[in-house]
Amino acid sequence: DAKTTQPNSMESNEEEPVHLPCNHSTISGTDYIHWYRQLPSQGPEYVIHGLTSNVNNRMASLAIAEDRKSSTLILHRATLRDAAVYYCILSPSRNAGGTSYGKLTFGQGTILTVHP
Amino acid sequence: ETGVTQTPRHLVMGMTNKKSLKCEQHLGHNAMYWYKQSAKKPLELMFVYNFKEQTENNSVPSRFSPECPNSSHLFLHLHTLQPEDSALYLCASSQGSGYTFGSGTRLTVV
Repeated sequence: DAKTTQPNSMESNEEEPVHLPCNHSTISGTDYIHWYRQLPSQGPEYVIHGLTSNVNNRMASLAIAEDRKSSTLILHRATLRDAAVYYCILSPSRNAGGTSYGKLTFGQGTILTVHP
Repeated sequence: ETGVTQTPRHLVMGMTNKKSLKCEQHLGHNAMYWYKQSAKKPLELMFVYNFKEQTENNSVPSRFSPECPNSSHLFLHLHTLQPEDSALYLCASSQGSGYTFGSGTRLTVV
């Protein structure tokens, strides 16, 4: 599986934007870029995913470099509830039995601290 | 609630005990997974089931025995565990690219 590299930790102030970087220089053409986050004492939570184009949803935006070797998760206005470990994961899409599923391999992620 | 329910939330068991972890989802997902999260370590994928069939076993010791009776339920049967097996065990399901995780079972082996 292709690997990702993320900073161990980042800090932000409440109400400010946060840009969480991820490098994935060995990404293959079929790899989707996924972001999950894990709040304390909870399971990981889906944030966003994309393949080539930038993506937006109610939680965040995903900016993907043109060569797809890096991406950035953007939280437009950080809140205290956004403090979590953020994981950037590459997952090839597979097909079996008429449906598709992908295996997620987690790294250490980025610990985001949000200051009031 | 995320749509994936795990029971129990906490479990303490002795090394000679037999116990089972349960995972249930009614999201209509066809793939289900067991992950282990030890302190200070990344999540480790243990087992993958797709349409009730096991498609991946990541060299997990035989003291962990999964069971998937249908696409909505997944069990992890535990026996003769070691203290180093103490961890958070997470279940997830997926359909397409998005995973939904449960809140996990915090297991302590004494």
